[in-house]
Amino acid sequence: AQTVTQSQPEMSVQEAETVTLSCTYDTSENNYYLFWYKQPPSRQMILVIRQEAYKQQNATENRFSVNFQKAAKSFSLKISDSQLGDTAMYFCAALRIGTGNQFYFGTGTSLTVIP
Amino acid sequence: DAGVIQSPRHEVTEMGQEVTLRCKPISGHNSLFWYRQTMMRGLELLIYFNNNVPIDDSGMPEDRFSAKMPNASFSTLKIQPSEPRDSAVYFCASSPDDQPQHFGDGTRLSIL
Repeated sequence: AQTVTQSQPEMSVQEAETVTLSCTYDTSENNYYLFWYKQPPSRQMILVIRQEAYKQQNATENRFSVNFQKAAKSFSLKISDSQLGDTAMYFCAALRIGTGNQFYFGTGTSLTVIP
Repeated sequence: DAGVIQSPRHEVTEMGQEVTLRCKPISGHNSLFWYRQTMMRGLELLIYFNNNVPIDDSGMPEDRFSAKMPNASFSTLKIQPSEPRDSAVYFCASSPDDQPQHFGDGTRLSIL
């Protein structure tokens, strides 16, 4: 079975600082994608960033970047220059390719950006 | 383009009543997912469909819950009879093959 683990239930960061959210996953597959979703208080689920497992280069989207360590099965999210609007629940997720879209979500990390 | 559309946005009903939640996936997406989110349990996958066929319903809590997808553009999640512990936010999501999920805005369900 595939699992996704987020070991930090809650985190906080000062505005303008950098924070890293951890995620590990367990899979025997070689072909998969990894994602980070953001859920602000409005409760919408918003895709933040994605990483294909076959790519060695870490994905980046503006202030959001990942540190993908395939051998360690680690997929952390770094948020630079944190803003108040980054306050949200963050979910790590994994998708097994070619299995009928089987998704696995972590339990989430609640991030609070402090003014 | 329209995203995933869920209705109603909010539902308040009394214990024992039947509840039907509706979802319209994004056109062209062949997978549809129903999730339940609570403070205690977090985000739980209830069931997902691929090409209108239920693939994994192991997350459906009990026989009171049922889900259907009669065609590619519509799905329902039904609870009968409803209980207070069913109170939660229910999300529908859809995706094409090997792509990330797109979520609806959710239905906040309160069972009194």
